[in-house]
Amino acid sequence: AQRVTQPEKLLSVFKGAPVELKCNYSYSGSPELFWYVQYSRQRLQLLLRHISRESIKGFTADLNKGETSFHLKKPFAQEEDSAMYYCALRHDYKLSFGAGTTVTVRA
Amino acid sequence: GAGVSQTPSNKVTEKGKYVELRCDPISGHTALYWYRQSLGQGPEFLIYFQGTGAADDSGLPNDRFFAVRPEGSVSTLKIQRTERGDSAVYLCASSSGPLGGNTEAFFGQGTRLTVV
Repeated sequence: AQRVTQPEKLLSVFKGAPVELKCNYSYSGSPELFWYVQYSRQRLQLLLRHISRESIKGFTADLNKGETSFHLKKPFAQEEDSAMYYCALRHDYKLSFGAGTTVTVRA
Repeated sequence: GAGVSQTPSNKVTEKGKYVELRCDPISGHTALYWYRQSLGQGPEFLIYFQGTGAADDSGLPNDRFFAVRPEGSVSTLKIQRTERGDSAVYLCASSSGPLGGNTEAFFGQGTRLTVV
């Protein structure tokens, strides 16, 4: 069965410091992974997907099939990055989400 | 055009009552999903519609939960004999087709259901 694990519930970093959100998955097929973000009082929205191999708002994520990981990274965190982040795995036209990580960026 | 719209935004109901939650997807989106998010958890899949039919209802927790999409647009999630454990945020999402490739799911703001 598919499963997404985000081991950190809370992450606090200072502005300008690097931030890394961990995501591990288990899936028997070829995985398609995403990061979703929810800013305060806003709806859940797609941040990036591994197939696009793009950097969005300074964030990148690399799929590591050997370690079954899809960690999200940003070299210099900004206060506006404070939000809830969810890692998700697509299978059979639906998404399985991790429990989420709350990121707080302190000035 | 507007994004995915869900009504009501908040619903408080008494245990044992019946509730309906409505989702208006983005116009033209054929795929529609319902998720449930309990406190401290990520969204959990409930049901997926492709057009009018439920293509996958494997996430519905029991037969008290039912969802319809009669004209392939608006969907209603129906919960009978509500229980306190049904309290959660119910999210709706839509996409232009089945998820895959570059197809993106767009989420509504959710309906917060509280059963007292």
